[in-house]
Amino acid sequence: GAVVSQHPSWVICKSGTSVKIECRSLDFQATTMFWYRQFPKQSLMLMATSNEGSKATYEQGVEKDKFLINHASLTLSTLTVTSAHPEDSSFYICSAEDGNSPLHFGNGTRLTVT
Amino acid sequence: LAKTTQPISMDSYEGQEVNITCSHNNIATNDYITWYQQFPSQGPRFIIQGYKTKVTNEVASLFIPADRKSSTLSLPRVSLSDTAVYYCLVGAANQAGTALIFGKGTTLSVSS
Repeated sequence: GAVVSQHPSWVICKSGTSVKIECRSLDFQATTMFWYRQFPKQSLMLMATSNEGSKATYEQGVEKDKFLINHASLTLSTLTVTSAHPEDSSFYICSAEDGNSPLHFGNGTRLTVT
Repeated sequence: LAKTTQPISMDSYEGQEVNITCSHNNIATNDYITWYQQFPSQGPRFIIQGYKTKVTNEVASLFIPADRKSSTLSLPRVSLSDTAVYYCLVGAANQAGTALIFGKGTTLSVSS
């Protein structure tokens, strides 16, 4: 089955620094990847849609200059949280689709900003 | 995208059958119904997907009435490891570029 790998699984960083999260589709090519954020005891919130070779589309209220998304290849999308602050601490989850099967999700990245 | 309504929480005991119903009154003609399971600190895991009538796989069954305004996920003989949050989602299936919008989900607690 389709496997989506996310790295790192957890990261702790200091306020003001940037953190990059990788999302890879291991056994299929993903023309589109999606990034979600999940706060404790809450549901997943869609942040942005990432298409290979083009600019990401961000959901309303998500700062594109703070959450930089790059989808340079059909198997890799990255989310960079720039100048992270404690309120950015959350669980970030990516998903990828190939258009032929249900969305598959990565195992998430727990970001803690101190 | 059609909005879904699920019970916030359910409790069960090991070995029982659990049925979680989801309402989606505004489902569109080309929408499918998909269920995901999520454990703490993990990404959602696909359980089952259907369009109408009944779908069954090795872990669950999905019952969809003719009007498609609701659906029921059935988990046979649950175990402690089935304790998780279950999400019902409605949207155009397997369509390139279509994100899934998550509702609040149902927290299932299985006790011994």
